[in-house]
Amino acid sequence: AQSVAQPEDQVNVAEGNPLTVKCTYSVSGNPYLFWYVQYPNRGLQFLLKYITGDNLVKGSYGFEAEFNKSQTSFHLKKPSALVSDSALYFCAVRENNYGGSQGNLIFGKGTKLSVKP
Amino acid sequence: EAQVTQNPRYLITVTGKKLTVTCSQNMNHEYMSWYRQDPGLGLRQIYYSMNVEVTDKGDVPEGYKVSRKEKRNFPLILESPSPNQTSLYFCASTTRRQGLAGGTDTQYFGPGTRLTVL
Repeated sequence: AQSVAQPEDQVNVAEGNPLTVKCTYSVSGNPYLFWYVQYPNRGLQFLLKYITGDNLVKGSYGFEAEFNKSQTSFHLKKPSALVSDSALYFCAVRENNYGGSQGNLIFGKGTKLSVKP
Repeated sequence: EAQVTQNPRYLITVTGKKLTVTCSQNMNHEYMSWYRQDPGLGLRQIYYSMNVEVTDKGDVPEGYKVSRKEKRNFPLILESPSPNQTSLYFCASTTRRQGLAGGTDTQYFGPGTRLTVL
């Protein structure tokens, strides 16, 4: 069965410092991996995804994520955090079912990112 | 503008009073889905639909019903709401493609419906 783990409920970072939000996954085949962000009182917004190819994926708002197959991880990163990055971040995985239909997206529990001035 | 809309955005109701939360998308997406978000539990899928008249249970379907009579609409029905269904609900949609391209498409989410059942 597919699963996603976000081991940190909250990450605190000072503005201007680099940030990392961790995500590990478990699927039986190859994964499709996604990061979504939820700002207060808003729906989820897509940040980036890994499908295949380059392990470093660049997304919206200066975020990037690195796919590490051996560690089954897909950590979200940003070189310099902004106060406006404060939000709830969700990692999600879908199994790559070759020749089959699109599987469902499984979400992690979310990590609250707090960036202080 | 491509979007997923939900109504109502906020709803307070009482136990046992049937309610429907509507979801509509204007992107001609085949796949639609309902999630609930609860603190510490993340998003959990309630029901999903691969296309018109094709629906299936997600991880937490108990107490919910859905229908997909038209491609753009995917309403969530609570026949007899209970307090444990107090939650934040999101509708989402995406294209659905088979084979190698399957599963690569981004899901678009609605703004959410905050439901309180007293």
